[in-house]
Amino acid sequence: QKEVEQNSGPLSVPEGAIASLNCTYSDRGSQSFFWYRQYSGKSPELIMSIYSNGDKEDGRFTAQLNKASQYVSLLIRDSQPSDSATYLCAVNNLRGDRGSTLGRLYFGRGTQLTVWP
Amino acid sequence: EAQVTQNPRYLITVTGKKLTVTCSQNMNHEYMSWYRQDPGLGLRQIYYSMNVEVTDKGDVPEGYKVSRKEKRNFPLILESPSPNQTSLYFCASSLLAGQREQYFGPGTRLTVT
Repeated sequence: QKEVEQNSGPLSVPEGAIASLNCTYSDRGSQSFFWYRQYSGKSPELIMSIYSNGDKEDGRFTAQLNKASQYVSLLIRDSQPSDSATYLCAVNNLRGDRGSTLGRLYFGRGTQLTVWP
Repeated sequence: EAQVTQNPRYLITVTGKKLTVTCSQNMNHEYMSWYRQDPGLGLRQIYYSMNVEVTDKGDVPEGYKVSRKEKRNFPLILESPSPNQTSLYFCASSLLAGQREQYFGPGTRLTVT
């Protein structure tokens, strides 16, 4: 079972709409959750982190975490063409078994978002 | 400026010629990691280091070596590169392993012919 799964996309929304990106994870013990944005050929850039259940808002971005259902989502309000990028979900893994997964961060494969004018 | 730097940014080499990609961070982070990114496969972890002299394998360690002799540096070594190691490589660092955000370097695009 993959550690972190994202809706594969691509996702296409018109300018001004809400873009919704979803991510599920397998390890119930995970405590740290991150959303990164990556433009083509560039490095991932952190846009949101969330550590407790509920919503966290930062400007046009809202991260939502539901640990019981093991999913984390990212909403982008008033989407702009400059938001067009691949969005990566990352989840930490606190399994303590040897294999040294303690504290590792696992990334989903990303969802490509296109915002058209 | 807080940052992760990588060198070189672009490299074209031939099969079997040893190479090193350097990574350095100036944030006093304990945790450092190397990833490779290939189309359709996402970010895959190669090696990571929890602290100086502590390194461990990620998901795709074959064909790579690392060392962590100093806290700020975490070089990636390809002893005998092969064409299947052609990829985009990222170094990242974090204050605490897995529990805080990772900061990424600008990437190294490697082509092995």
